Amino acid sequence: AQSVTQLDSHVSVSEGTPVLLRCNYSSSYSPSLFWYVQHPNKGLQLLLKYTSAATLVKGINGFEAEFKKSETSFHLTKPSAHMSDAAEYFCVVSLDSNYQLIWGAGTKLIIKP
Amino acid sequence: DTEVTQTPKHLVMGMTNKKSLKCEQHMGHRAMYWYKQKAKKPPELMFVYSYEKLSINESVPSRFSPECPNSSLLNLHLHALQPEDSALYLCASSHPTRYEQYFGPGTRLTVT
Repeated sequence: AQSVTQLDSHVSVSEGTPVLLRCNYSSSYSPSLFWYVQHPNKGLQLLLKYTSAATLVKGINGFEAEFKKSETSFHLTKPSAHMSDAAEYFCVVSLDSNYQLIWGAGTKLIIKP
Repeated sequence: DTEVTQTPKHLVMGMTNKKSLKCEQHMGHRAMYWYKQKAKKPPELMFVYSYEKLSINESVPSRFSPECPNSSLLNLHLHALQPEDSALYLCASSHPTRYEQYFGPGTRLTVT
């Protein structure tokens, strides 16, 4: 069965320092993986996606993620945090055949000035 | 254009009211979704329409009634809701052969 674990419920970093949001997945086959971001009182925006092409995926706003099959991880990184990055981030795995997504519990990213 | 629009942005309704939420996309997507999201939680899937036919109904109470009039529109009809139904309701759409979903801004529903 597919599952997603986001290892941190909250991550706090200072503006200008690197961001690391951790995600591990469990899947019986090669999954499609996504990161979504949700700013307060807003909808969900697709940050990036992995669909079995390059293992290092670049997304919007300077974010990237690396798919590591041996570690079953898909961690999200950004070299330098900006105040506007403060939001909730969700790691998501797709179920191949029936339109359903498996969501992680979310990580709240806090940016300190 | 990767935009999904939803109306209204906010809705307050009493437990005896009937109201509808509306969603529209013009990306040529043939799958459309309704989700419910409570505070500090990931979204929960309610319904999926594929090629305008109801594909998935996640055991949602009958006081929620979805409708897909055409490939671009999705409605959610609400009747006799309970206070615990207060939440952010999100619409999403996806291409038939890709898995990523594109979300609208949501409707913040409050049931009094």
